[in-house]
Amino acid sequence: AQSVAQPEDQVNVAEGNPLTVKCTYSVSGNPYLFWYVQYPNRGLQFLLKYITGDNLVKGSYGFEAEFNKSQTSFHLKKPSALVSDSALYFCAVRDTNAGKSTFGDGTTLTVKP
Amino acid sequence: KAGVTQTPRYLIKTRGQQVTLSCSPISGHRSVSWYQQTPGQGLQFLFEYFSETQRNKGNFPGRFSGRQFSNSRSEMNVSTLELGDSALYLCASSFRQAGTDTQYFGPGTRLTVL
Repeated sequence: AQSVAQPEDQVNVAEGNPLTVKCTYSVSGNPYLFWYVQYPNRGLQFLLKYITGDNLVKGSYGFEAEFNKSQTSFHLKKPSALVSDSALYFCAVRDTNAGKSTFGDGTTLTVKP
Repeated sequence: KAGVTQTPRYLIKTRGQQVTLSCSPISGHRSVSWYQQTPGQGLQFLFEYFSETQRNKGNFPGRFSGRQFSNSRSEMNVSTLELGDSALYLCASSFRQAGTDTQYFGPGTRLTVL
């Protein structure tokens, strides 16, 4: 069975500072990894995904994620945080040949001015 | 291209009633998945439909059911509602039933059971 862990419920950073939201995973086979962001009372918005290839994946809104196979991690990063980045972030792993995604519990990112 | 749409956006029901939620996927997408989001349980997979067939099912009781139509639109039904069914129900679509395909989510239906 696959699983995803987001070890931090909350991450606080100052505007302009770099941010990291952590994610580790457990899968059998190739990992297909995704990051989503959710704003209050909204659905999930896709940020980026890792399927294969370069370990550094670039996505929407200046976000990027680093895939590390040996550490089974897929941390989300941004060089300079904005107040508008404040939201709930989910890491997910997708079944190889199915529609099911398994999500982490989410990390609330708060960026303070 | 229009995104995933879900109707209704908000719904209030009482215990024992049943409810039907609707999801229209992105045009051309054939896979539709449903998720339940609650503060306590997070995002839980309900089921997935592809080409009008249920392909996967999560660990939910039989009160939760769904179907998919030939135009890929999907509905989910919850019978005999319980207070614990109060949640945000999210629908997601993807082009194929493949792990490499991105799932795109709708805005959700907020169900409140009184």
